[in-house]
Amino acid sequence: AQSVTQPDIHITVSEGASLELRCNYSYGATPYLFWYVQSPGQGLQLLLKYFSGDTLVQGIKGFEAEFKRSQSSFNLRKPSVHWSDAAEYFCAVAPNNAGNMLTFGGGTRLMVKP
Amino acid sequence: NAGVTQTPKFQVLKTGQSMTLQCAQDMNHNSMYWYRQDPGMGLRLIYYSASEGTTDKGEVPNGYNVSRLNKREFSLRLESAAPSQTSVYFCASSEEGTGWRETQYFGPGTRLLVL
Repeated sequence: AQSVTQPDIHITVSEGASLELRCNYSYGATPYLFWYVQSPGQGLQLLLKYFSGDTLVQGIKGFEAEFKRSQSSFNLRKPSVHWSDAAEYFCAVAPNNAGNMLTFGGGTRLMVKP
Repeated sequence: NAGVTQTPKFQVLKTGQSMTLQCAQDMNHNSMYWYRQDPGMGLRLIYYSASEGTTDKGEVPNGYNVSRLNKREFSLRLESAAPSQTSVYFCASSEEGTGWRETQYFGPGTRLLVL
């Protein structure tokens, strides 16, 4: 079965600083990969997803993520963080065949200092 | 469009009580899902409905039942609530249900406390 690890439970960055959130997955083949964001009191919103092709994917709100097969990683990055980016971020994986379930990591809570 | 709506937003139950969480979507999506979110564990799938008239178990179905009432509505029932079911419950929907490639759209969640 697939699994997802987000090693950092909490991260604090200053506004304007760069951000990288880590995600490592365990799966026998290349899975489908997702990043979701959850603002306080809200449901989850998809930031970006990777299925195949270019390993650097662009998402909404200025986020990008890079798939590295050799490291089984799919880290999320943003060059300059805004105060409104404070939220919880979830990495998720799905096997690359239909009929199976999405597996979420435990989440990383991002705080942004003014 | 309201997207995915959930009621109630917050509920307190006593152990052994029953309740139904309601979910509706107005995006004409075929597939709907129920997740629970617990601290440090991300979201775990309880049940899903790939299309109207079908339901399937997810990762953590014990203690829950679901009903896909029609294409718009997918309810989650706790027949006899237990403290271990204290959680935040999210409903989601996706367009076709042909696989996990699709974007899932989430509701705002229902926070449930079982005493």
